[in-house]
Amino acid sequence: GAVVSQHPSRVICKSGTSVKIECRSLDFQATTMFWYRQFPKQSLMLMATSNEGSKATYEQGVEKDKFLINHASLTLSTLTVTSAHPEDSSFYICSAPGEGDNYGYTFGSGTRLTVV
Amino acid sequence: AQSVTQLGSHVSVSEGALVLLRCNYSSSVPPYLFWYVQYPNQGLQLLLKYTTGATLVKGINGFEAEFKKSETSFHLTKPSAHMSDAAEYFCAVSDRSGSQGNLIFGKGTKLSVKP
Repeated sequence: GAVVSQHPSRVICKSGTSVKIECRSLDFQATTMFWYRQFPKQSLMLMATSNEGSKATYEQGVEKDKFLINHASLTLSTLTVTSAHPEDSSFYICSAPGEGDNYGYTFGSGTRLTVV
Repeated sequence: AQSVTQLGSHVSVSEGALVLLRCNYSSSVPPYLFWYVQYPNQGLQLLLKYTTGATLVKGINGFEAEFKKSETSFHLTKPSAHMSDAAEYFCAVSDRSGSQGNLIFGKGTKLSVKP
């Protein structure tokens, strides 16, 4: 079945630095990738939708300049947290939708970001 | 707009007992509905989904859910709980914007299984 590989699984960075999270679709082409953020003991909140070859669509309240999303190819989408602050510490998950009979969503394994 | 309500943020059952996790949805279009399970510090794993056709959907690990349009519900059940079922469960609805619709998640229900 469809697999989305997300890296890194955990990252600790210092305040003010940037962190890049990658999501790769391994055996299918993902023209769209959804990026979620999950706070402890809470549900997933959609941050943005990346589309291959075009600009990402951000949800209301999400800072475009802080959370840079790039969908460079049909198999790679990246989220870069720029100038990270402790409040950016969270669990970030990507997801790619399927189509047709395979309709469903494949999630990456998530990235635990801790900003110190 | 679509929304999902999961009744009960925490459900505790004994091993071998029935598991019932409740989910109600609101959707302006015929919904696609999903149940996902999440173990600590991991991504989400699809348990089952309803798109069209049979309203009783069987998933992995012995779980099933029934789509009831009249009740706008999609409750998740399992006849006999195992210790390994302890996890966080999320119900979700797709807004079905073509085939690239976004998922709207409920707040999640944490399932505890007592020995």
